[in-house]
Amino acid sequence: AQSVTQLDSHVSVSEGTPVLLRCNYSSSYSPSLFWYVQHPNKGLQLLLKYTSAATLVKGINGFEAEFKKSETSFHLTKPSAHMSDAAEYFCVVSEPGGYQKVTFGTGTKLQVIP
Amino acid sequence: EAQVTQNPRYLITVTGKKLTVTCSQNMNHEYMSWYRQDPGLGLRQIYYSMNVEVTDKGDVPEGYKVSRKEKRNFPLILESPSPNQTSLYFCASKGGRTNEKLFFGSGTQLSVL
Repeated sequence: AQSVTQLDSHVSVSEGTPVLLRCNYSSSYSPSLFWYVQHPNKGLQLLLKYTSAATLVKGINGFEAEFKKSETSFHLTKPSAHMSDAAEYFCVVSEPGGYQKVTFGTGTKLQVIP
Repeated sequence: EAQVTQNPRYLITVTGKKLTVTCSQNMNHEYMSWYRQDPGLGLRQIYYSMNVEVTDKGDVPEGYKVSRKEKRNFPLILESPSPNQTSLYFCASKGGRTNEKLFFGSGTQLSVL
């Protein structure tokens, strides 16, 4: 069985400071991992994905995530927060196999303070 | 344009009145799924389908039905809606491989009175 835990429900940062959104996963296989972003009253957009190639994954809008198998983590980072980054972020795990169950974390709301 | 189309965007109904939320994709995707989004709970998978006539339960299937008679369509059916099914619903689709991203519909805000 697979699961994903987002360790913070809310994160608040000042504009221009680094962002760290934490995600731990559990999987019996070698999963694919994703981060999606949802801006207020909008749909979901893919930020980046890990699919067993490079462990450091670069995404859109300056976001990165590092896959650490030993820690079963896939934390999302950005060097410098922008006001437009204020949104809810979801870590997602998907296991391989004939029936592909996709599991979302409970989300982290990022607040950016001017 | 590649897209997942959900209808309606907003729906208010009463307890027990059967309803269907439609979902259609134009990308020839094998995989389609339904999620509900509730504050503090993230998105929880209701049902998913790997292909025509192949469906499976997600984490919260109780009170919902789905069908996949055609590859492009994956309707969500609430036979007897209850107030605890008030939620924001998303349909999504993707290709058949695990590492492919999900394409989401715009969402359906359902209120059951």
